[in-house]
Amino acid sequence: GNSVTQMEGPVTLSEEAFLTINCTYTATGYPSLFWYVQYPGEGLQLLLKATKADDKGSNKGFEATYRKETTSFHLEKGSVQVSDSAVYFCALRPILTGGGNKLTFGTGTQLKVEL
Amino acid sequence: EPEVTQTPSHQVTQMGQEVILRCVPISNHLYFYWYRQILGQKVEFLVSFYNNEISEKSEIFDDQFSVERPDGSNFTLKIRSTKLEDSAMYFCASKTDHNSPLHFGNGTRLTVT
Repeated sequence: GNSVTQMEGPVTLSEEAFLTINCTYTATGYPSLFWYVQYPGEGLQLLLKATKADDKGSNKGFEATYRKETTSFHLEKGSVQVSDSAVYFCALRPILTGGGNKLTFGTGTQLKVEL
Repeated sequence: EPEVTQTPSHQVTQMGQEVILRCVPISNHLYFYWYRQILGQKVEFLVSFYNNEISEKSEIFDDQFSVERPDGSNFTLKIRSTKLEDSAMYFCASKTDHNSPLHFGNGTRLTVT
């Protein structure tokens, strides 16, 4: 079946530090890959996505590249801010037809950025 | 920007009681979902709903669970007889079409005592 594995948190960084949150997946075929973010007290928000191998998703300074050879979709940001403190979820959606089209999520990684 | 709204934000209930979690999806969306996250575990898919019927459900979504879109606005999740292990954060989500991204609500934290 499909699965997503993320690095465990919490990850604590100083402001302006470099961020990497690892994500690897297991799936049949070539799924679409996503990063969602959950700020305190809010719902899950789509941060970025990639739909095919070697695609790079980017948003708000975050990037992730779809690596088929390593089945990975690691999230990176060059310089984090306190406002980036949140829980980050990696997710995949298989290439299927029909109305289901469900997402499979990782456990989430909590990021804490300190001054 | 329109958003998915969920009520209540926190619900406490006793084991064996029925609960209804409420969601108002974004108005022009056609696909509706419930997910849940038990504390410290993965966000898990429960059920998807399209064209007034369930399109897919997980093993978790047994006979104790049901969903309904009673009035074209609300999308509810009912748990008939709650168990301790139903304690989790329940997320509602919706989207416009098959390939569009999911929009999630803020979640309802269900605590079963």
